[in-house]
Amino acid sequence: AQTVTQSQPEMSVQEAETVTLSCTYDTSESDYYLFWYKQPPSRQMILVIRQEAYKQQNATENRFSVNFQKAAKSFSLKISDSQLGDAAMYFCAYRSARGGSNYKLTFGKGTLLTVNP
Amino acid sequence: DTAVSQTPKYLVTQMGNDKSIKCEQNLGHDTMYWYKQDSKKFLKIMFSYNNKELIINETVPNRFSPKSPDKAHLNLHINSLELGDSAVYFCASSRGRLAYEQYFGPGTRLTVT
Repeated sequence: AQTVTQSQPEMSVQEAETVTLSCTYDTSESDYYLFWYKQPPSRQMILVIRQEAYKQQNATENRFSVNFQKAAKSFSLKISDSQLGDAAMYFCAYRSARGGSNYKLTFGKGTLLTVNP
Repeated sequence: DTAVSQTPKYLVTQMGNDKSIKCEQNLGHDTMYWYKQDSKKFLKIMFSYNNKELIINETVPNRFSPKSPDKAHLNLHINSLELGDSAVYFCASSRGRLAYEQYFGPGTRLTVT
């Protein structure tokens, strides 16, 4: 079974600074997807960024980018120019590219990000 | 326009009661999911339906029964509620089984007293 580990329960960053959230995963598969979801206090789950395992290029969405290291099974999220609205719980998630019941999302335990003004 | 909606958003009930949570999506998706987020914020899949067919059924007590009357709806019925059922339940949907993006509802906070 796949597992996702987020080793940082909490992180903090100063407004306008850069912060990196860590995520590692364990899988025997070669084709899969990785995601970062954001959950603000409103508790709505919002997709921040996704990465297809077959792509070598790291995904980028505006101020959010990932460092995907397939061999190391590492998938970190970098938030540049942090804003107060970035404060939230961030979840790393894995999804198999195979069919059947394997495409469920497997989540890490989350990292609570605080942004200090 | 609400993409994935859940009712109710808050539910407080006593042990032993039976309750239902409803989920509807207007995205035209054919795959829907139920996730449970416990008090420590851990999210875990419970069920998934594709075109009204159950395709994921994780290790969940039999007291939980999903029902999909059509592709746009996936309801969750819980019998004989227990204290440990207190959690936030999220509905999600995606286009097809292999679609990588799942859209989440706002969640239903269930409190069992």
